[in-house]
Parts: sequence; C-alpha cells; structure tokens
Amino acid sequence: QKEVEQNSGPLSVPEGAIASLNCTYSDRVSQSFFWYRQYSGKSPELIMSIYSNGDKEDGRFTAQLNKASQYVSLLIRDSQPSDSATYLCAVGPYLISSGSARQLTFGSGTQLTVLP
Amino acid sequence: SAVISQKPSRDICQRGTSLTIQCQVDSQVTMMFWYRQQPGQSLTLIATANQGSEATYESGFVIDKFPISRPNLTFSTLTVSNMSPEDSSIYLCSVEAGSYEQYFGPGTRLTVT
Repeated sequence: QKEVEQNSGPLSVPEGAIASLNCTYSDRVSQSFFWYRQYSGKSPELIMSIYSNGDKEDGRFTAQLNKASQYVSLLIRDSQPSDSATYLCAVGPYLISSGSARQLTFGSGTQLTVLP
Repeated sequence: SAVISQKPSRDICQRGTSLTIQCQVDSQVTMMFWYRQQPGQSLTLIATANQGSEATYESGFVIDKFPISRPNLTFSTLTVSNMSPEDSSIYLCSVEAGSYEQYFGPGTRLTVT
C-alpha cells in the first residue's frame, strides 16, 4: 500500500522566516510529486510540482526532491501570514501509467501558521 | 489550469435520500477523480472516472453507494445514495491537466441529518 507521510504539525513560524515542510513516501517507483495549499474551508490548490531530483524554485516557494531517500520538501521563504494554511504532499505514479493508475496519493497535511 | 465548477456547493439532506453532485470543466479532460474529505482529514479517493468507460472505485467504495457518470469529456456526476450521517463530508472533483497535475473544484459540503 502506497503511503505518504507528513508531520501533522501545527508548524508555527514568525513572519519573514523560512517555513520547511517535509514529506516521505513509500513507493520507490513514484515519479511525480506535488504540493497543494488548502486554506480552511477551501479546496486544495496546486502550488508546486516536481519530477526530477534537486530543487525547483517558483517565487518564494522551493520544492526539493531526493528520490534515493524518498523525500520531498517545500520551503517557503519570507513567510507571510497569508501563507497560513494546510499543505498537502501528493505523490504520483510512474510517468507512463494509464487509467486509474494515474491517481495521486495524498499525505495527511501539515498545518502551517505564520505569526505576524 | 482548468476552471472547474461543482453543484451544489452545499446541501443538507435527510438520511435515506440521495444527492447527485455535478462537476463541470471548461475544457476537455480525460481523467476526472472524485474525492471525499472529512473534517480535519486528508483527501480520500472515491473513484477515477474516464469518459466512455466504467468508473474505477477504490477499496471501501462501491458503485451501488456512489454511482458515477461520465457522459463526456467536460462533465461528471457523483451520486451519494441512501445517505447516512457518516456520509457527511466535503466531496471534491478534480481533473488531470497533464503530467499528473490535478486541479480541484470548489467542493460540495454535504450534511446528512
């Protein structure tokens, strides 16, 4: 059974700090990785996707992937109170999968609070 | 990314009744998914819906309880049948828009009394 593990938190950081969110996964053949942000009462919003080992930067967000360690992380630089949300890690299958095999497995989420 | 709408946005239903949730996308997509999210919990996949084929259900979910239709590449429905209070949850549809990226609709908040 595929598993995606995240620290549930809550994680609190002061405004302007770097927030670090971590995720591990069990299925070694996974090749697609995603971070979603979910505000309370809202649906998940895709903020980052990463497919290759290393870092991927988009504005204040950096996703880091280490397939050998089965580890993916999200760094949020210059954290703002508006970043306060639950962050969901999602892991997808081998890139040429088809049909229902294309489903994502979600972690339980990490609740982040950025303190003004 | 695709623009996804769901109807209704919320509903309060009596036990034993059924509710059909609609999901509409502004572009043609192959893969659509239905999830359930209970308060404070993560997402649980109910089924995968491809156009022109039967939906594929995850363990613990059955077609008699959660029938799904996928009549074309922009629309799907999920019916929650013979509802009980345990079915109270947020139901979300999502679409895949390439490279496994999924985008979610706004969700349907269901309360069963």
